[in-house]
Amino acid sequence: QSVLTQPPSVSGAPGQRVTISCSGSSSNIGARYDVHWYQHLPGTAPKLLIYGDSNRPSGVPDRFSGSKSGTSASLAISGLQAEDEGDYYCQSYDSSLSGHVFGTGTKVTVL
Amino acid sequence: EVQLLESGGGLVQPGGSLRLSCAASRFTFSAYAMNWVRQAPGKGLEWVSSISASDGRTYYADSVKGRFTISRDNSRNTLYLQMNSLRAEDTAVYYCGKYTGYGGNPDGIDIWGQGTMVTVSS
Repeated sequence: QSVLTQPPSVSGAPGQRVTISCSGSSSNIGARYDVHWYQHLPGTAPKLLIYGDSNRPSGVPDRFSGSKSGTSASLAISGLQAEDEGDYYCQSYDSSLSGHVFGTGTKVTVL
Repeated sequence: EVQLLESGGGLVQPGGSLRLSCAASRFTFSAYAMNWVRQAPGKGLEWVSSISASDGRTYYADSVKGRFTISRDNSRNTLYLQMNSLRAEDTAVYYCGKYTGYGGNPDGIDIWGQGTMVTVSS
């Protein structure tokens, strides 16, 4: 069981905006460790979407945005597209575990 | 194109050993910390181990500490994961990854391999 909790699933119609939360604690996100977000589509390698809480690597559309506050972080996807269907994970560091941690994962469905 | 290519996965009996390799190309391998992440069937991503760029510092998840060893050969642009005393719960797709090097804490993984399947079963 991960120390970073995400909703199991979120869904939205094409063009809509969805958000995915990543809830942590004072030993990870609340300790000001950076949060990163990944997209994992079926049969492919995970892809870095957001690094350092809110930065997009080159090539990632600005439809994807990240934020962090207190012990939680969020990923927003605006203008939802069919190709966005897949699994999304947050990642940070936990000082109690002395290691990197991934969130529980969220499946995004485009209705 | 920057690339990571894993090899060495397969079927192994409980208690057995396996060594995974990850060949890097088209980037300065020796300049970046590297890692292994796994995904068990039907489960989420799990960080396994990391190694620093040049001084060989290593880090492990509690679930593999004492059984797995991460190493690298910068002259061969290759990352390794030696897995001993394998258990059924180690069954997963294993991905190697390159850290971005942007300076954050922790770092993010910007390049991933396609993964290699490890199945531990009798």
